[in-house]
Amino acid sequence: GENVEQHPSTLSVQEGDSAVIKCTYSDSASNYFPWYKQELGKRPQLIIDIRSNVGEKKDQRIAVTLNKTAKHFSLHITETQPEDSAVYFCAATLNTGGFKTIFGAGTRLFVKA
Amino acid sequence: GAGVSQSPSNKVTEKGKDVELRCDPISGHTALYWYRQSLGQGLEFLIYFQGNSAPDKSGLPSDRFSAERTGGSVSTLTIQRTQQEDSAVYLCASSSRGSWDRGGGYTFGSGTRLTVV
Repeated sequence: GENVEQHPSTLSVQEGDSAVIKCTYSDSASNYFPWYKQELGKRPQLIIDIRSNVGEKKDQRIAVTLNKTAKHFSLHITETQPEDSAVYFCAATLNTGGFKTIFGAGTRLFVKA
Repeated sequence: GAGVSQSPSNKVTEKGKDVELRCDPISGHTALYWYRQSLGQGLEFLIYFQGNSAPDKSGLPSDRFSAERTGGSVSTLTIQRTQQEDSAVYLCASSSRGSWDRGGGYTFGSGTRLTVV
């Protein structure tokens, strides 16, 4: 089955700096890659997603890149702010008639003011 | 409903008791998923239901865990003979076909925090 690895597990940056979170997946048939943000005590919320036919997608300060050949995808947050502090999960979704999503272990991001 | 509803929000149970956790997905969503999140950990896939197809149970950790989805809507996750290691937040999510075609992924419920004492 699909396996998603995520690094780093913890990331601390200064406000205004950039943060990069990297993930790899194992099943080349996965074709949709969402990213979720989970604030303390709250449910995960989708922040951005990318499909396998696209190499990069940007939404304001957040961008995702996908390298299908290497089975790598990354989240980039620029001009970080304290409210970006949260746990971020990458995920890979396999379309098998349904849409089974496997999540990475998460990255705890701390943005220091 | 407007969102994914889960009940109860918190459940404390004694070791060895059975518990039932309920998930009411967004109306019209054909797919329903259960995940488990232990303290400070990631999202562990448990089971998912897609329409009338047989559920994918590949993530259930033991035969003490089971889930049903009646009428293609509400789902119940049952844990029998609970153990302390079952303590976690159990998250339900739902999605429609359109969620994937247009983007949007899952919508998660707020979860049930299960504590086994």
